[in-house]
Amino acid sequence: KQEVTQIPAALSVPEGENLVLNCSFTDSAIYNLQWFRQDPGKGLTSLLLIQSSQREQTSGRLNASLDKSSGRSTLYIAASQPGDSATYLCAVTFNAGNNRKLIWGLGTSLAVNP
Amino acid sequence: DGGITQSPKYLFRKEGQNVTLSCEQNLNHDAMYWYRQDPGQGLRLIYYSQIVNDFQKGDIAEGYSVSREKKESFPLTVTSAQKNPTAFYLCASTDSRGRASSYNSPLHFGNGTRLTVT
Repeated sequence: KQEVTQIPAALSVPEGENLVLNCSFTDSAIYNLQWFRQDPGKGLTSLLLIQSSQREQTSGRLNASLDKSSGRSTLYIAASQPGDSATYLCAVTFNAGNNRKLIWGLGTSLAVNP
Repeated sequence: DGGITQSPKYLFRKEGQNVTLSCEQNLNHDAMYWYRQDPGQGLRLIYYSQIVNDFQKGDIAEGYSVSREKKESFPLTVTSAQKNPTAFYLCASTDSRGRASSYNSPLHFGNGTRLTVT
């Protein structure tokens, strides 16, 4: 069964800390992996999309890596700020025969304390 | 600015009533999606549409219906047959020019509609 797991479910850090959020998936036959941010009661905002042929993507203070062989992705946030507080979701597009299927993790709720 | 607009933000209905959630996008995206988000569960796909006048069931389509008469609009109707309709509903779209490119285009989301049925 294709699954996406995000650990920890919640994380609280002081402002300024560098931090890593984890996403693991059960099948290495993936098409791509996406990281999203969700603020309370709002929709999701796409942060980074990593294609299966790529190892990492960067946007500002965010860096996402992909290791298909180990079934892992990490989202690195440098110099965290209170405005980074949100839930971060990982979504993996798996290859499924002639189709593709997008599976979501449950997210990591991040609190950055001033 | 381009984006996806979902309305209303909050919706309250009595059990047994059908209700329609609006989703409009001005991103010129071909593909549109409806997801449901419940506490403790990942997002679940209800319906999706790759092109006007065509749509497909997702993983949890029972009790829901959609239409795609215009490229910009993808309304979702929650019918009385949906057993647990109270949830946060999210509409999304992607740029799907070319057969496979929708899978490599990031999803754009609206701000959601929170539906409460009592």
